[in-house]
Order: sequence, then C-alpha cells, then structure tokens
Amino acid sequence: EVQLVESGGGLVEPGGSLRLSCAASGFTFSNAWMTWVRQAPGKGLEWVGRIKSKTDGGTTDYVAPVKGRFTISRDDSRNTLFLQMNSLKIEDTAVYYCTTDTAAAGTYHYYMDVWGKGTTVTVSS
Amino acid sequence: DIQMTQSPSSLSASVGDRVTITCRASQSIGTYLNWYQQKSGKAPKLLIYAASSLQSGVPSSFSGSGSGTDFTLTISSLQPEDFATYYCQQSYSTPYTFGQGTKLDIK
Repeated sequence: EVQLVESGGGLVEPGGSLRLSCAASGFTFSNAWMTWVRQAPGKGLEWVGRIKSKTDGGTTDYVAPVKGRFTISRDDSRNTLFLQMNSLKIEDTAVYYCTTDTAAAGTYHYYMDVWGKGTTVTVSS
Repeated sequence: DIQMTQSPSSLSASVGDRVTITCRASQSIGTYLNWYQQKSGKAPKLLIYAASSLQSGVPSSFSGSGSGTDFTLTISSLQPEDFATYYCQQSYSTPYTFGQGTKLDIK
C-alpha cells in the first residue's frame, strides 16, 4: 500500500525551529519528487515547496514566505522526506501535508496524487 | 506568481444536481491544471489532472475541461459523498498555487 506518514509537529514559540518528517512506503521513494503543502486553520491550501529526485538533480523550490527559513531535504536510504523550519512565525501555524509530485506518463503534467494525513504545527507564545 | 481564482466560493446544491465550478488563472497555463476534493479534517484527494484526465478510482460523474486561463470542474449528478471543498491548482510553474476553494454544501 502506498503510504505517507508525517510526524514532528507540535507547539513551538515564535522564532523557534521544528523538523517535520514524512515516512514513505509502497513505492520507489528515490524516484519520486516530493512536496510539502500546508493549510492554516480554516484556510485554503498553500504549496510550501518541492524537492526533485536525485536523478533529476535533487533541487528544491519554495514559496516566497518560507524562502530562507524552511529547507526541504530527503534521505532516500530511509525513504524519508524532511522539512526543517527555522525562525518560525505565528503565520506558519498550519497542518503540514507531505505529498508525491507525480508526472503523468510521458508528459510534464505534474500532480499531487498521494497525500499523508498531515501533522499540525502551532506557533504561539 | 500565478494567481488562481475560483468561483463561486460557496455553493449549495441538492443530491442529483449538476454542478459546475470555475477556475481562472492570471496567465495562460495551457492544461497544467489539477482539481482536488477535500473533506473536513481530511487530506485533499486528487480528482482531475492535466485539466481533463480523470484520476484512477474517481467516479466518472466528475469531469474537467478548459485550457489557457479558464477551467471548469463539473459534477454531473451530485451524490451525498460529494459535499466537500474543491480546489484547483496550477502546475505550470513554481510556486504552484491553489485557488481559494469552493465549498459545496447541501441545500
């Protein structure tokens, strides 16, 4: 069964750090592009960032509000994706989802087809 | 960044109704458009990718169309399990962006 399980969420003070993990199973993680998406309480979805597979360069992209503060990385030997979050702000409070970023066969049409259940991050003093 | 705008923001409908949700991009994105369904307290679920391709396992009552800047998601006959929030998302360029969502509830 294809599965993503996030962990590491919790309560942190403004300016603090947190590291989220996403354990993948049921597919070849090393070939997958992976994405983090977040959802603030009562709000819509926000794409946080993506990491390509190492075969495709392993590069990362981020949304502007998190650039310089968040870092996405991967450990293919452990089938695990990470999101290191530093200098956290109150507005980073959200449920964070890990997803696969899959290309339709033979195309460059990417979509997020496998989602974890999410982990909650609360930034508050 | 590409801005995605959905309409309406909320919609009341009855079981059996035909429903259409619209998504507009701030620039042309070809067919790099996906649709997701999210139920309360759950992770989003992919419905449609590349504007009109139905994800495996999704009922054929769901369909998508459009290209360029204007897209639609249609549910041909609403079922009780379809009441949820729907999001469009562009995958034309990063940062990927979502529409603000359309909440579909029971009339």
